Amino acid sequence: NAGVTQTPKFRILKIGQSMTLQCTQDMNHNYMYWYRQDPGMGLKLIYYSVGAGITDKGEVPNGYNVSRSTTEDFPLRLELAAPSQTSVYFCASYSGASTGPQHFGDGTRLSIL
Amino acid sequence: RKEVEQDPGPFNVPEGATVAFNCTYSNSASQSFFWYRQDCRKEPKLLMSVYSSGNEDGRFTAQLNRASQYISLLIRDSKLSDSATYLCVVNGYTSGTYKYIFGTGTRLKVLA
Repeated sequence: NAGVTQTPKFRILKIGQSMTLQCTQDMNHNYMYWYRQDPGMGLKLIYYSVGAGITDKGEVPNGYNVSRSTTEDFPLRLELAAPSQTSVYFCASYSGASTGPQHFGDGTRLSIL
Repeated sequence: RKEVEQDPGPFNVPEGATVAFNCTYSNSASQSFFWYRQDCRKEPKLLMSVYSSGNEDGRFTAQLNRASQYISLLIRDSKLSDSATYLCVVNGYTSGTYKYIFGTGTRLKVLA
């Protein structure tokens, strides 16, 4: 019963490097989301997707890109890592039912040095 | 005004105490409501959904007041393991998608 799976769990990058944070869910959920959470702060929405082939920006999309080629996968790409992107990144999914909750992965802790 | 507002706390309470958190939301068209629990540096986990008639799950009781646009969470007989941040979450359908709005959380510390 995997739910939402994120990889890697931890990563250290150098400034200017690029990487992809992976997120996959096995619940056949149409909606998927990427959030970041800085220390002591709330969740901020980066990007979201309402189905395969459809993505849209959240409140803090700059410096990130996403794609959604399948229902299961929603990778988040950092092209030119900057220290301001040091954060914990959470992926979440949601069925689309009007009263349904979001389900979260256990996060990727990313440090940019 | 923030879309979802919570008192950040921290609330420091002794074991066995009853503690209540409130949350207000600004969008009257919001459709569903939740309380999540988040432990330090971990992912948010669903604690309970909040229904219009109010609902209870063991020591936890959630209430919704649509007229006043606030949600509450009551924890009875607090345990040390209840220490965490509690997130109020509101969901509504706007601009063609379901949008979850998270409060910044209320920190609870239960003291021995």
